[in-house]
Amino acid sequence: AQSVTQLDSHVSVSEGTPVLLRCNYSSSYSPSLFWYVQHPNKGLQLLLKYTSAATLVKGINGFEAEFKKSETSFHLTKPSAHMSDAAEYFCVVSGRGSYIPTFGRGTSLIVHP
Amino acid sequence: EAQVTQNPRYLITVTGKKLTVTCSQNMNHEYMSWYRQDPGLGLRQIYYSMNVEVTDKGDVPEGYKVSRKEKRNFPLILESPSPNQTSLYFCASIPRLALPDTQYFGPGTRLTVL
Repeated sequence: AQSVTQLDSHVSVSEGTPVLLRCNYSSSYSPSLFWYVQHPNKGLQLLLKYTSAATLVKGINGFEAEFKKSETSFHLTKPSAHMSDAAEYFCVVSGRGSYIPTFGRGTSLIVHP
Repeated sequence: EAQVTQNPRYLITVTGKKLTVTCSQNMNHEYMSWYRQDPGLGLRQIYYSMNVEVTDKGDVPEGYKVSRKEKRNFPLILESPSPNQTSLYFCASIPRLALPDTQYFGPGTRLTVL
C-alpha cells in the first residue's frame, strides 16, 4: 500500500522569497518519488524524481527536493520564487513494481509581485 | 516532436451518449495510462496498459473502458456517460516497463456531461 500527503493545499509567497512545498509519503516498498508541475490549462510536466540514487535531487527551473527516509518526506524547495512558478504542484509516489502511481491532492503555489 | 496527443480537447455531451477520447503517443512507449483530475482530489488513475492487448484497472475504473490494439493508441471509452464523469482527463505514457519512471502527459481533455 502507498499514499502521499501534500501538507498544504495553497502556499503563497512573494517574488524573490524561498519556496517550500511539503510532501509526506508512505510505501510498503522502496519508493520512487516525483514532483510534477501543472501550469494553468496545461498538462503535467516532470520537475524532478528520486529513484534511490542521491537523496538530494535537482530538477528544472531551480527546484530541488530532498528524500528523507527517517521522516518519510520529500519536500520541494526553491531559493527564490519567480512569477512564472505560479502553478499547481503534485507529489507522486510509486513503489517498486507498482503500476499505479499515487498522486497527492496538489499544492497551489501563488506568487505575489 | 515527441508527444502525447489527446482528442478532443474539450467535449460537452449529454447523459448516455457514448463517446471516445483518443490518446496517441509517438515515442514507442510501452506503458500508457488514463487519469481523471478533479478539484481537491489530485489525479486518479482509471486504467493502464503495459503493452498491446494488456490492460488493467486503476483506482477508479467504473464507467470506463479502454483498449490497446496498437502500441501508440490507447482510447478511453465512456459507453453511457453520467454527470459524475464530468472531469479533466489526462493520458500519459512511460518509456518502458522498468517502472517507476517519468510519465509524459497529454494536454488534457475537459469533459462535461449534462
